[in-house]
Amino acid sequence: EAQVTQNPRYLITVTGKKLTVTCSQNMNHEYMSWYRQDPGLGLRQIYYSMNVEVTDKGDVPEGYKVSRKEKRNFPLILESPSPNQTSLYFCASTFKGGGNYGYTFGSGTRLTVV
Amino acid sequence: KQEVTQIPAALSVPEGENLVLNCSFTDSAIYNLQWFRQDPGKGLTSLLLIQSSQREQTSGRLNASLDKSSGRSTLYIAASQPGDSATYLCAVRYNQGGKLIFGQGTELSVKP
Repeated sequence: EAQVTQNPRYLITVTGKKLTVTCSQNMNHEYMSWYRQDPGLGLRQIYYSMNVEVTDKGDVPEGYKVSRKEKRNFPLILESPSPNQTSLYFCASTFKGGGNYGYTFGSGTRLTVV
Repeated sequence: KQEVTQIPAALSVPEGENLVLNCSFTDSAIYNLQWFRQDPGKGLTSLLLIQSSQREQTSGRLNASLDKSSGRSTLYIAASQPGDSATYLCAVRYNQGGKLIFGQGTELSVKP
């Protein structure tokens, strides 16, 4: 089944403890993105990648890192999480070419930082 | 600034009604537009995608239209059912490698 897989689904952590949220897609998509969703603020892009070893900042990149060493994987790294990073996180991917391709989203990771 | 707005923010209808959800965008030079459904605390499920060159797309009881000149898209749901209750999100993509710009969503409740 074609899908974007995120892990973990739920995570509670303490301030300052480094964590990684994994994202993997099996559709051979070039583009991958991370979004966070917050009440009243909607969905905002954190980082994106247009291909292997090519990443760039989105609208809210502060406090996050990403890497794209393989085409299928795009992990989100929080080196020193803070309570304001408590949010619902989504990974998404799509093909490079053609306006007839839409984004496919993962099931989400609910992160709580205490 | 590229912005996407959805009206209404919430909508409650009795089962069986036909309904329309609205999405407007400030920049008409879009690449494509997607409608998503999101159940509480869950992921986003893509419902329909409309390319820039298209006027509408249909899937079952859903029909999405696009009018770039007026900067608007509508999602029409026919014969609504309680299972349609969810938040519906409109998202616009402005270029090939571009991010999705989301509206705030319309929370739909269909009463039995």
